[in-house]
Order: sequence, then C-alpha cells, then structure tokens
Amino acid sequence: AQSVAQPEDQVNVAEGNPLTVKCTYSVSGNPYLFWYVQYPNRGLQFLLKYITGDNLVKGSYGFEAEFNKSQTSFHLKKPSALVSDSALYFCAVRDMSPTPLVFGKGTRLSVIA
Amino acid sequence: DVKVTQSSRYLVKRTGEKVFLECVQDMDHENMFWYRQDPGLGLRLIYFSYDVKMKEKGDIPEGYSVSREKKERFSLILESASTNQTSMYLCASSLRQAVQPQHFGDGTRLSIL
Repeated sequence: AQSVAQPEDQVNVAEGNPLTVKCTYSVSGNPYLFWYVQYPNRGLQFLLKYITGDNLVKGSYGFEAEFNKSQTSFHLKKPSALVSDSALYFCAVRDMSPTPLVFGKGTRLSVIA
Repeated sequence: DVKVTQSSRYLVKRTGEKVFLECVQDMDHENMFWYRQDPGLGLRLIYFSYDVKMKEKGDIPEGYSVSREKKERFSLILESASTNQTSMYLCASSLRQAVQPQHFGDGTRLSIL
C-alpha cells in the first residue's frame, strides 16, 4: 500500500528565510512524487513532480524539491520565503501504475513579515 | 491550461435530500476523481473513473455514487444526504499515464443541515 506522511501540521518561517516542508513516503517499487499548494477557498494547484533522473526538481513560483531514495523523502524547499507563499501544502505519491494519487494530510505554511 | 469546473462553489442542502455535484474538464482527460477534504484528515478518495461508464470505489465510497456518461463530465451523487457529509468536495482529472499530475477544480463547499 502507498502512503505519505507530512510530519508537521504547521511550519512558520520569517519572510526572506529559507523554507522546508517535509514529506516521507512508502511505496512498492519506484515512486512518482508530487507537490501541490492550496490557497484559501481554492482547489489544489500542481507545483512540481519527481519521476526519474536528477534528485533536485524545480517547479513553479521558485519552489524546488529534493528526492532522497535512501530516506524515502521528498522535501519541498524555497531559498527565500514570501508572505504570499502562506498556504496549505500537500505531498502525494503513486507507484508506476496509473492509480489515483495518495495524499498526505497537508502542512500549513505561514510566512511572517 | 487545464480547466476543471465544478458547478457550485457553495451548496446548502437538507438531510435526506439527493444531492448532485457536477464536474466538467476541458482537456480530454481519461481519468477523473472525486475527493472530500476535511480538516486534519487531508484528502480522501471517494470514487474515480478511468473511462466513460467506468467507475471504481475509492477509500470512502459509502453513501455516494457516481456517473460518467460523457468523457468530460463526472458527477458525484449523495443518495440521501446526511450531516456527516458536510465537507469540501474536490474534483480532479488527469491523463492516463502515471507520470501525469492530477488537476483540480476549485471545490464545492457542501453543508447538510
């Protein structure tokens, strides 16, 4: 069975500081990993994905994520946080079959000016 | 850009009513999904469909049914609404391949009184 854990319900960071939102996963075989962002009263918006290749993937709005196979992690990062990055972030995983994504419970990011 | 449109942003219904939530996508996607989102529980999969007239149960199908008569439209039906079905409902669609992300609508916030 596939699963995703986001160990932090809430992450607070000062504007201009680097941010990290953590994600670990469990899947049989090779994973396909995704990050989404949700702003208030909106649906989920796709940020980036890891399929294969370079362990550091770049996505929208300056976000990037680092895949670590030995630690089964896929942490979301940004070098310099903006107040407008404040939102709910979801990590998701599937194995190589075209099944529905399995989502973590989400991490609320607050960037403080 | 992919557009997934959910017919209502907010909906208020009464206990025992039959409720229809409609979702339309404009990108010829094969796969469509219905999730519900509740605080602290993340996204939970209700039903999904890989093709017209096909449907598969997700993790929490009880009390729900779906209909997919046309490729672009996926309807969620609450057969007899109950107060514990008050939630945010999110529709998503994707291309068939496992490497493809799911694209979400803006959600329907449903209240059952």
